[in-house]
Amino acid sequence: DGGITQSPKYLFRKEGQNVTLSCEQNLNHDAMYWYRQDPGQGLRLIYYSQIVNDFQKGDIAEGYSVSREKKESFPLTVTSAQKNPTAFYLCASSSRDKLFFGSGTQLSVL
Amino acid sequence: AQSVAQPEDQVNVAEGNPLTVKCTYSVSGNPYLFWYVQYPNRGLQFLLKYITGDNLVKGSYGFEAEFNKSQTSFHLKKPSALVSDSALYFCAVRDITYDYKLSFGAGTTVTVRA
Repeated sequence: DGGITQSPKYLFRKEGQNVTLSCEQNLNHDAMYWYRQDPGQGLRLIYYSQIVNDFQKGDIAEGYSVSREKKESFPLTVTSAQKNPTAFYLCASSSRDKLFFGSGTQLSVL
Repeated sequence: AQSVAQPEDQVNVAEGNPLTVKCTYSVSGNPYLFWYVQYPNRGLQFLLKYITGDNLVKGSYGFEAEFNKSQTSFHLKKPSALVSDSALYFCAVRDITYDYKLSFGAGTTVTVRA
């Protein structure tokens, strides 16, 4: 099946630890996105990538990093610099401005 | 800079009544506008988009939205709401003058009572 796969579904981070959220797509889309969803704040853009080996900061990039070495993959690393990482993280890819979302990763701090 | 405002956190309507979810936007250039819906325990789904042309856009599940350039608005409407329309609705904007950045609003929770 074609789509966006995010893993893991649930992730726990210890203080001072970096964690990486996986996002893979087999839709052959050029653009990919990472959003953070918090109750009452909607979806806030962390990073986005229009093509391989290129990405741009979104509105809340501090404490996060990404890479785009392959068209299919856009992993997000939540670093220890992100002091409030507990949130629901959504990855998406787009074709003709229609976004296709993954099922999300819930990150919590231990 | 681009941004989206959804002025209502919650909208409550009775089944069969018209439903309106408000959205205003701000961009420097020309906007592409979108509505997405998030049902409980399901992912975000695309409803409709405005790119160019007719200001009234029709989308999935009987929803439509009207682009109003002078008021910088893109309100979502449905003539007769169903209980199954209860969900979280997001408006989004992209400034096509620049790049692929897509910004979402804070969302509006719609509750349709039987």
